[in-house]
Amino acid sequence: DSGVTQTPKHLITATGQRVTLRCSPRSGDLSVYWYQQSLDQGLQFLIQYYNGEERAKGNILERFSAQQFPDLHSELNLSSLELGDSALYFCASSPRTGYPYEQYFGPGTRLTVT
Amino acid sequence: AQKITQTQPGMFVQEKEAVTLDCTYDTSDQSYGLFWYKQPSSGEMIFLIYQGSYDEQNATEGRYSLNFQKARKSANLVISASQLGDSAMYFCAMRERTGRRALTFGSGTRLQVQP
Repeated sequence: DSGVTQTPKHLITATGQRVTLRCSPRSGDLSVYWYQQSLDQGLQFLIQYYNGEERAKGNILERFSAQQFPDLHSELNLSSLELGDSALYFCASSPRTGYPYEQYFGPGTRLTVT
Repeated sequence: AQKITQTQPGMFVQEKEAVTLDCTYDTSDQSYGLFWYKQPSSGEMIFLIYQGSYDEQNATEGRYSLNFQKARKSANLVISASQLGDSAMYFCAMRERTGRRALTFGSGTRLQVQP
């Protein structure tokens, strides 16, 4: 158990809908990263938050957005869903101090868009 | 831009034998970190081992060791004494030491340990 929690574990929804994925980082970790794992694109970095502020963006679509709340949990919002958004979405957190800042991954949310 | 290449889509190894999973990388940065993660069929990503670009010694963590050859830009994972529970996908990843600390992943290698 990495200490990172994600809910829900599975999500099935229809095209055009909007969903919210939730992540709670390990206790004390300020950084949260979101990744998408799909068959055709592999594992891709989407976005990073640090202590409530957006720190870096990767290959995140404009239909997707995220935020990190004062209690440090994070939510990834996916809207106008398409079939191609079906993937495993991971949240990861890393320590504030202590190089090499390895990232610990949650169990993932498997999104299926039908 | 960083790039990680894993050229072995699948590997087989006999139980109790050692296996090497290949990883090459490309970066213009002088300072970077290399990671290996394991993804069992259950889906979670498990951190295995880390190597810094300035580390002089190869990293080791139990049965895992990282064969780091900086001039060749390779960071191969060696698993000694393979166990059935080692059957999984293995991903090599890179992160810049400064600035954006997100990971860039390779395409992965599926390892199957045979009894």
